[in-house]
Amino acid sequence: AQRVTQPEKLLSVFKGAPVELKCNYSYSGSPELFWYVQYSRQRLQLLLRHISRESIKGFTADLNKGETSFHLKKPFAQEEDSAMYYCALRGGQYGNKLVFGAGTILRVKS
Amino acid sequence: ETGVTQSPTHLIKTRGQQVTLRCSSQSGHNTVSWYQQALGQGPQFIFQYYREEENGRGNFPPRFSGLQFPNYSSELNVNALELDDSALYLCASSQGLSQETQYFGPGTRLLVL
Repeated sequence: AQRVTQPEKLLSVFKGAPVELKCNYSYSGSPELFWYVQYSRQRLQLLLRHISRESIKGFTADLNKGETSFHLKKPFAQEEDSAMYYCALRGGQYGNKLVFGAGTILRVKS
Repeated sequence: ETGVTQSPTHLIKTRGQQVTLRCSSQSGHNTVSWYQQALGQGPQFIFQYYREEENGRGNFPPRFSGLQFPNYSSELNVNALELDDSALYLCASSQGLSQETQYFGPGTRLLVL
């Protein structure tokens, strides 16, 4: 079965501190992993995907197949990073279906 | 280019009633996916439509049904509403069935009393 686990409901850090949002997945094949973000009063939007291997807004994420993880990292948090972050997996019989984790609220304090 | 739109934004129904939610896909997109997001949880896949045909379904009962129209807009219908159907319903559009990015609408918040 496909499953995405985000163990932290809330992560609170100070501005300028490093951020790591954890994501672990369960999938027997080769999944595609994503991070989606939802800022206050905005719709869910794609932040980054592992196949792109790019940095968006200073965030990066590396797929670790051995540990089945896709943690989201940023070296220096900014107040505008405060949002809800969802890790998602795509793969399987219905290739375009997304399986989401429960989400982590990131709160960056000044 | 217009983004994904959904209507209505909010809706209150009572148990046993039926509801129809609507989604207009982003310009140029022919695939629409519907998700249910209960409070405190991530979105959960309901089903997907591609060129007016259902193309995959999640673990939802048959009282959840849908349609896609020739202009690729879509409807989600829920019959015999239950209290647990209270949630945010999201639709997302994309181009084709390849591994393209899904773009989400703002959602419709349904409350079942």
